[in-house]
Amino acid sequence: EVQLVESGGGLVKPGGSLRLSCAASGFSLTNVWMNWVRQAPGKGLEWVGRIQSKADGGTTGYAVPVKGRFNISRDDSGNTLYLQMNNLKSEDTAVYFCFASGSLGYWGLGTQVTVSS
Amino acid sequence: QAVVTQEPSLTVSPGGTVTLTCDSSTGVVTSGHYPYWFQQRPGQAPRTLIYDTTNKYSWTPARFSGSLLGGKAALTLSGAQPEDEAEYYCLLSYSGTRVFGGGTKLTVL
Repeated sequence: EVQLVESGGGLVKPGGSLRLSCAASGFSLTNVWMNWVRQAPGKGLEWVGRIQSKADGGTTGYAVPVKGRFNISRDDSGNTLYLQMNNLKSEDTAVYFCFASGSLGYWGLGTQVTVSS
Repeated sequence: QAVVTQEPSLTVSPGGTVTLTCDSSTGVVTSGHYPYWFQQRPGQAPRTLIYDTTNKYSWTPARFSGSLLGGKAALTLSGAQPEDEAEYYCLLSYSGTRVFGGGTKLTVL
């Protein structure tokens, strides 16, 4: 069965850090461009960033609100995607999803991140 | 950063046809924006319906189709079913970044 499972969310104070993971099973992440997407309570989807496959250069791209604070990486041998989030702000509070681009189109169920003092 | 605009809400009758659109503040939407369409029902994770303008997945109902229409990306639903009531989002690519539209709440009534 194909699955993406996010983990690592939780409650963190403003200025703190968290690392989210997205573990893939049932398929290989190796040639897949992967994205992080978030959804604040009662709001729409917001694209956070993406990482190309290593074969395509492995380049990352980020949305303006997170650029310089968030970093996406991948471990293809471990079939896992990561999102390192630093200097977190209250406006980063959201459910964070990972999403496989292109012909796969898979989504995880998300992990909740709450930034509050 | 570009702004992507969708109709905030639309209503379609059961069995009817409706077209949702996705507009870019930078100008005409082309295949080079690699438009995606997603469906999200309340309390659920999003589900991808269309990628690269027109391509469907094995789980995409045949009644959904993607296109470019009048300078915008479009999602057409032909033969609406009650289970199609949901929020629909488009996603466009811009030179290494991507932007979601604000979503269209589709009511089947």
